[in-house]
Amino acid sequence: SQTIHQWPATLVQPVGSPLSLECTVEGTSNPNLYWYRQAAGRGLQLLFYSVGIGQISSEVPQNLSASRPQDRQFILSSKKLLLSDSGFYLCAWRLAGSQETQYFGPGTRLLVL
Amino acid sequence: SQKIEQNSEALNIQEGKTATLTCNYTNYSPAYLQWYRQDPGRGPVFLLLIRENEKEKRKERLKVTFDTTLKQSLFHITASQPADSATYLCAPSEGAAGNKLTFGGGTRVLVKP
Repeated sequence: SQTIHQWPATLVQPVGSPLSLECTVEGTSNPNLYWYRQAAGRGLQLLFYSVGIGQISSEVPQNLSASRPQDRQFILSSKKLLLSDSGFYLCAWRLAGSQETQYFGPGTRLLVL
Repeated sequence: SQKIEQNSEALNIQEGKTATLTCNYTNYSPAYLQWYRQDPGRGPVFLLLIRENEKEKRKERLKVTFDTTLKQSLFHITASQPADSATYLCAPSEGAAGNKLTFGGGTRVLVKP
């Protein structure tokens, strides 16, 4: 069966520090991968998605970037965090070519101070 | 621009009653629409998918309707239980038009015993 992992679960970082959040998927090949952010009490905002290694589509211009160095690995990064980067970051995957169910990871809660 | 609207006010309901949630969308021509459940601090979990040629879909105590003329989906929880308390998100998709899934802001449901 397929599983999706995210780490760390919680992160507290100072403003101006770098960020690296990792997401890995097991049990499937060539998945579509997604990064979402959810501010406190708000909805899900799609940040990036990827349909293959090295292929990244950005939905919202921002202080973040994403990379997909391996088929089942998706990384969210920032060179300098802003206070507004605080939130709940969710990674998700879906079968390539499928328009159906999306499976979410457990999330990373990021607090920028 | 595309917009997905869900009632941002929490829905308080007595146990045993039916909860009805609304999802309205504009500037979409979805081939299908999905509903997810999100518990606090967790990632969303898929519940139901309904296609454009389906009027109604059921799963246990859940029922979804899809009216492409009204551009609306209704989500019903019958015989509601306190364990149904969560935030429910809708996500219309245009199918082959894109690989991404965009979510509404969600409606929080609180079932009181």
